[in-house]
Amino acid sequence: QLQLQESGPGLVKPSETLSLTCTVSGGSINNSSYYWGWIRQPPGKGLEWIGSIYYSGTTYYNPSLKSRVTISVDTSKNQFSLKLSSVTAADTAAYYCARKPRIAVTGTTYFDLWGRGALVTVSS
Amino acid sequence: QTVVTQEPSFSVSPGGTATLTCGLSSGSVSTSHYPSWYQQTPGQAPRTLIYSTNTRSSGVPDRFSGSILGNKAALTITGAQADDESDYYCVLYTARGIWMFGGGTKLTVL
Repeated sequence: QLQLQESGPGLVKPSETLSLTCTVSGGSINNSSYYWGWIRQPPGKGLEWIGSIYYSGTTYYNPSLKSRVTISVDTSKNQFSLKLSSVTAADTAAYYCARKPRIAVTGTTYFDLWGRGALVTVSS
Repeated sequence: QTVVTQEPSFSVSPGGTATLTCGLSSGSVSTSHYPSWYQQTPGQAPRTLIYSTNTRSSGVPDRFSGSILGNKAALTITGAQADDESDYYCVLYTARGIWMFGGGTKLTVL
C-alpha cells in the first residue's frame, strides 16, 4: 500500500529557507496518473494548498506563495521536496504531502492520499 | 481574488441532518471544480470523504453524501453521530492547476 512520509527540520529561523521532503513508499512516484503536492495548516487554522508537481517536473504553485516556493522531484529516490524561502512566524504550520490523480488519466482529481504531516516552527 | 466560503461553524443534533456548503465569493461552484470534502480531527491528517462532487471515498459511510445545491457544493451528513464532530474542509480545482481550500466548518453534534 502506497504511503507518504514527510521529513525535515522541525525548527527554522526567520528569514531562512524551510526544506521538507516527502518520501513515497509502496509505489512509484514515476506514475503518469498522479500529481504530488504540498498542503499546510497553521496551528488552529485551515488548510492551504502550496503547490503540486508531476514526475516530469511540471509544477503549479499557489499564487500567494509562488515567489517563495520551489517544489522539485527526485524520481531516483522516489521523493519530492518543498523549499519555502524567507520564512516568518506566519509560515509556522503542519506541512502535509499528498497525492492527487490526474484528470486526463483518471477522469477525476482530488487529494486521495495524505502523509501524516510534519510540524515546522519558525522561531529564532 | 476569489475565495472559497464555508460556514465557520454548524450544530446538529444526534440523528439529525447537517448540510455544509462550499461556495465561491465570485461565481458558482460546478462539477467542473471537482469539489471534494475532507474530515479532520485535532492532531490528525485530513481524511478524504467525497470527491468529484458526489463520489464517496473508500470506507466512507453512506450517511455522507455530496451534491451541488444551487450555486454551491454541499456535504450532507444524514443521521449525525457523535464521532462526526470534526472540522470539514472543501477544496475546489480551478483553471491552470490551482487549488483553493475553504476555511473549514467546525461541526458540533449536540
